[in-house]
Formats: sequence, structure tokens, C-alpha cells
Amino acid sequence: GDSVTQMEGPVTLSEEAFLTINCTYTATGYPSLFWYVQYPGEGLQLLLKATKADDKGSNKGFEATYRKETTSFHLEKGSVQVSDSAVYFCAPNSNSGYALNFGKGTSLLVTP
Amino acid sequence: GAGVSQSPSNKVTEKGKDVELRCDPISGHTALYWYRQSLGQGLEFLIYFQGNSAPDKSGLPSDRFSAERTGGSVSTLTIQRTQQEDSAVYLCASSSGGRGMDEQFFGPGTRLTVL
Repeated sequence: GDSVTQMEGPVTLSEEAFLTINCTYTATGYPSLFWYVQYPGEGLQLLLKATKADDKGSNKGFEATYRKETTSFHLEKGSVQVSDSAVYFCAPNSNSGYALNFGKGTSLLVTP
Repeated sequence: GAGVSQSPSNKVTEKGKDVELRCDPISGHTALYWYRQSLGQGLEFLIYFQGNSAPDKSGLPSDRFSAERTGGSVSTLTIQRTQQEDSAVYLCASSSGGRGMDEQFFGPGTRLTVL
């Protein structure tokens, strides 16, 4: 079946450090790819998405590029802030075409 | 506008009791999803509704779990004869069209604790 592998963390970074959270997936065909974020005490919300190969999703300084060849969708940010502390979930949509297939989540803590 | 709402926010029940969890999706969203978030299993898909129909129930873990949706809006997830392993946060999401590329908007979840 489909699977999603992402680094579980926790990841601890100093403010203004560079962030990479790796995500690879297996799927039949070419799913849409999403990163969702869960801030402390809040619900899941979409961070960014890409719907076809080589597309780059971006939001709030975060970026991720749909790499068909490596079936990856790594999340990056050049300079993290304390307010970026959250749990990040990589989520391709499943073979069904609509349900999301979530990774285990990566906890990020950014310290001043 | 109003987002996805869920009730109750917390539910504590005794093993063997039945529980009902409610989801109010964003108005006009035709697609509705239930997921479960637990420490051991992460986030798991349970069921998908398009309108009042559920074309995919494949994620429901057992026949103790059922869900319905009425009027193309409110959905109820029912767990019969609850077990301790049912303890989790149950999340509801909705989207405008049910296509894979559509953003899913999540509710705050119902935290279920089975004693």
C-alpha cells in the first residue's frame, strides 16, 4: 500500500537557522502533495501544496518541490522563527484520489 | 466565515458504551472526511463522504464504527461498544469538491478517552 516516510524528530533549531524536513512517499500514479502544520493548541491547517511534477508550493517562507523522479517533497525554510514551532505533516493524497495519507509528523522546536 | 466545527471537544466514556461524535463542515462543502489521530498510529483516514454517500469506508477499523451524513451537511461518527484502543482524537475535515488537489479544512477534533 501507500506509505509516507518523514523524519520524526523532534528537531530543535535556533532562530534564523535553515530547516529541511525530508519526505518521501510511495504511490501509484502521481498524487497531489501537501504539507499540513499543527501549531500548539490549534487544528491542522494546510501549509502548502503541489499538484504536479516540478511544481513548487510555497507559503510563509516555506517551500517544497514535487520531485517525481525521487518521489520526494522535502520542506525547506531559509530562516526559521520561534513562531514556526509546530508539528509538520507530509501528506500525499492516496490512490483513492481524495483521502490524505499522512506521515507520522515532525515536531519542530525553534529556540530564541 | 465559520470553519469546521466538532462536538463534543472532549468525551470520556467507559469501555463498552456507545459514543456519537458530530461534525459540522464548512457550508457548501460537498466532501467530508473523518480521520483518527493517535500516538501509536499517527493520522489515519477513516471514511469519505461525497454528499450523503460514502464511496469509501475502507479506513473504518471494525464494524463497531459507522458514520452517516444527512442533508449534505452534518455528519455523525458512531462507535459502538467502545474499547480502550479507540481512545484517540477524531478529526473531521471538509473540502469544496472532493478532488485530490483540493485543500481539506480540518476541525479542532474530538478527544475520546475510553476508560
